[in-house]
Amino acid sequence: EVQLLESGGGLVQPGGSLRLSCAASGFTFSSYAINWVRQAPGKGLEWVSAISDSGVYTYYADSVQGRFTVSRDNSRNTLFLQMNNLRAEDTAVYYCGRKYTNNWSMDFDYWGQGTLVTVSS
Amino acid sequence: QSVLTQPPSVSAAPGQKVTISCSGSSSNIGSNYVSWYQQLPGAAPKLLIYDSNKRPSGIPDRFSGSKSGTSATLGITGLQTGDEADYYCGTWDSSLSAGVFGGGTKLTVL
Repeated sequence: EVQLLESGGGLVQPGGSLRLSCAASGFTFSSYAINWVRQAPGKGLEWVSAISDSGVYTYYADSVQGRFTVSRDNSRNTLFLQMNNLRAEDTAVYYCGRKYTNNWSMDFDYWGQGTLVTVSS
Repeated sequence: QSVLTQPPSVSAAPGQKVTISCSGSSSNIGSNYVSWYQQLPGAAPKLLIYDSNKRPSGIPDRFSGSKSGTSATLGITGLQTGDEADYYCGTWDSSLSAGVFGGGTKLTVL
C-alpha cells in the first residue's frame, strides 16, 4: 500500500525555521517526483515546491523561493522541506504528493495526511 | 489572486449534472495538462482527472474532464450528496516554471 506520512510541523516564531519530512512506503520512491502543496486555514491549495525523482531538479513558488529548500534521500525513502525565515503567511497544512505522470502537470495520485505549520509569536 | 480562475461556488440538485470551469492562459492550461481534485472537509485532496480528461482507476465515470484552448472543465453527472466538496483545477505554468491551482469551487448538492 502506497503511503506518504508528513511530520515536523508545529508552532514557530516569525523568522524561525522548521524542517518537514515526508516518509514514503509501498512504492519505489526513487522513481517518482514529489511535490509539496500547502493550504492555509480556510483557504485554497497553493503549490510550494517540486523535486525530480533523482533530486537533481527542484522548483519553487515565488512566495518561498530563497527561503525554502526541498531535498530527498532516496536511500531512506524520505523527502524534506527546509523552511527558513518563516512568516505568518506560511501558516498552513503542508502536504506531500506523489507525481502520477512524467509530464508537466499537477497530477498527484497519493497525498499524505498533512502536517500543520503555525508561524506566530 | 489565483493564476487559474474558478467560480467560487456552484450548485445543483441530486441526480443532475454540474460543470466547473477553470480559466487560464497560454502558458499554463494552453500548453500543459490539467488535473482536477476533490477535497472533502478535513481531508487531503483526491485526484479525479489527470491529463485533462483521464480518470485514475477507481474514479467513477460520472466525473469527466475536458480542455479547449486556455480553459478546462470538470463535469459531474448523477450528483450525489456525497459529491459536496471543494474542487480544484491545477496545472504547470511554463512561464513561471511553477505549479498553479485555481482558487477552488465549492459544490453544493441541494
